[in-house]
Amino acid sequence: AQTVTQSQPEMSVQEAETVTLSCTYDTSESDYYLFWYKQPPSRQMILVIRQEAYKQQNATENRFSVNFQKAAKSFSLKISDSQLGDAAMYFCAYRSARRETSGSRLTFGEGTQLTVNP
Amino acid sequence: ETGVTQTPRHLVMGMTNKKSLKCEQHLGHNAMYWYKQSAKKPLELMFVYNFKEQTENNSVPSRFSPECPNSSHLFLHLHTLQPEDSALYLCASSQGPMGGGRGNSPLHFGNGTRLTVT
Repeated sequence: AQTVTQSQPEMSVQEAETVTLSCTYDTSESDYYLFWYKQPPSRQMILVIRQEAYKQQNATENRFSVNFQKAAKSFSLKISDSQLGDAAMYFCAYRSARRETSGSRLTFGEGTQLTVNP
Repeated sequence: ETGVTQTPRHLVMGMTNKKSLKCEQHLGHNAMYWYKQSAKKPLELMFVYNFKEQTENNSVPSRFSPECPNSSHLFLHLHTLQPEDSALYLCASSQGPMGGGRGNSPLHFGNGTRLTVT
């Protein structure tokens, strides 16, 4: 079974600075997808960024980018120019690429609470 | 408008009560999910439905009973719950593999129902 580990329960960053959130995962599969979701106080989980394991290029979405190290099974999220609205719980998630008859099961980490200080 | 709507937003119930959680998605997705989010724990997948058919039950106790009358609606019927069932219950939808979705198709979440069992 796949597992996802986020070793930082809490992180803080100054507004306009850069912060990196860590995520590692364990899998025996070679093809899979990785995601970062954020959950603000509104409780809705919002997709931040996603990465296909077969792609070597790191995904980027505006101020958000990832450092995907497949051999190390590491998938960190970098937030540049942090804004107050970035404050939220961030979850790393894994999904197998095996074609299944069931829906697409996501395995989540425990989350990292990010505080942005003005 | 999130695209996935959950009601009620908050629910307090006694251990002998029967209540239902409702989820509705307006995104044309074919897969729907129930997740349980407890404090200090990763999100736990409970049930998966594809085209109204249950395709995954993640060893959930029978006091939780899901119902999916069509691809847009999902219910979670609750009866004789325990205090440890108190949690945030999140509904999500996606374009699953059977509907032509790709593995990197993200899950879209609702705002959740905060359940307290007294």
